[in-house]
Amino acid sequence: EAQVTQNPRYLITVTGKKLTVTCSQNMNHEYMSWYRQDPGLGLRQIYYSMNVEVTDKGDVPEGYKVSRKEKRNFPLILESPSPNQTSLYFCASSSLAGAFGTQYFGPGTRLLVL
Amino acid sequence: AQSVSQHNHHVILSEAASLELGCNYSYGGTVNLFWYVQYPGQHLQLLLKYFSGDPLVKGIKGFEAEFIKSKFSFNLRKPSVQWSDTAEYFCAVEWSNDYKLSFGAGTTVTVRA
Repeated sequence: EAQVTQNPRYLITVTGKKLTVTCSQNMNHEYMSWYRQDPGLGLRQIYYSMNVEVTDKGDVPEGYKVSRKEKRNFPLILESPSPNQTSLYFCASSSLAGAFGTQYFGPGTRLLVL
Repeated sequence: AQSVSQHNHHVILSEAASLELGCNYSYGGTVNLFWYVQYPGQHLQLLLKYFSGDPLVKGIKGFEAEFIKSKFSFNLRKPSVQWSDTAEYFCAVEWSNDYKLSFGAGTTVTVRA
C-alpha cells in the first residue's frame, strides 16, 4: 500500500531535549516536505527536499533541521525544542514538485513541549 | 511576502445547501493552485488542483473550483453538500519561482443533517 508513515504519532518532551520525528515513504517519490499545523494558521511549510541531499527552507525553518540521505526518508530534527514548537506535524511526499505531482500526507505527529 | 487568505473560518450549512469557500493569494505571477480537505481524524487529501488550461477545475466528490487570475482567486464550490462533507478545507498556492507550498488558515465546514 502506498503510504507516508511518521513516527512517533504522539510525543511529549521537555524543553531542550533533542528529538527526531521520522518520515518514510514507499512510493519512490523525489519531493518530500514537512509542515506544522497550528489553529488559525493552517499548515506552514518547514523544510522541503527536491531529491536526495537537496533540502531547502520553507516558511518557518527556525529551530528545525532536516536531512535527506536516502530517497525514502526525511527526518525532522529538533535540536533544542521549545514550547512554541508544540504543534501537529505532517510529512508529505510527491513524485514531482508543483501541480504535476500530488502530495501524499502522513498521519501527523502531535508534539507537546513542556 | 506571499500569502494565502481564506475568507471564512467556520461555515455551517444544512444538507443540500450550496457551498462556496473563498481563497485569494497575494502575489502575481504564475501559480499552481490546490484545495485540500481534512476529514475528522484523517490525513489531508487533495480535492483538486489547477496549473494550466481551463480555469474551471473539477475534483473529487463533486467539488469544483474556478481560477480567476485578475482577482488572484481560486474559490471552491459544491452545489449540494452532504453531511459527509463536514471537514476542514485548505487552499494552497505554489508560486512557480520556487517550490514552497503556502496554505491558507483553513475553513471548517460543518454540515447539519
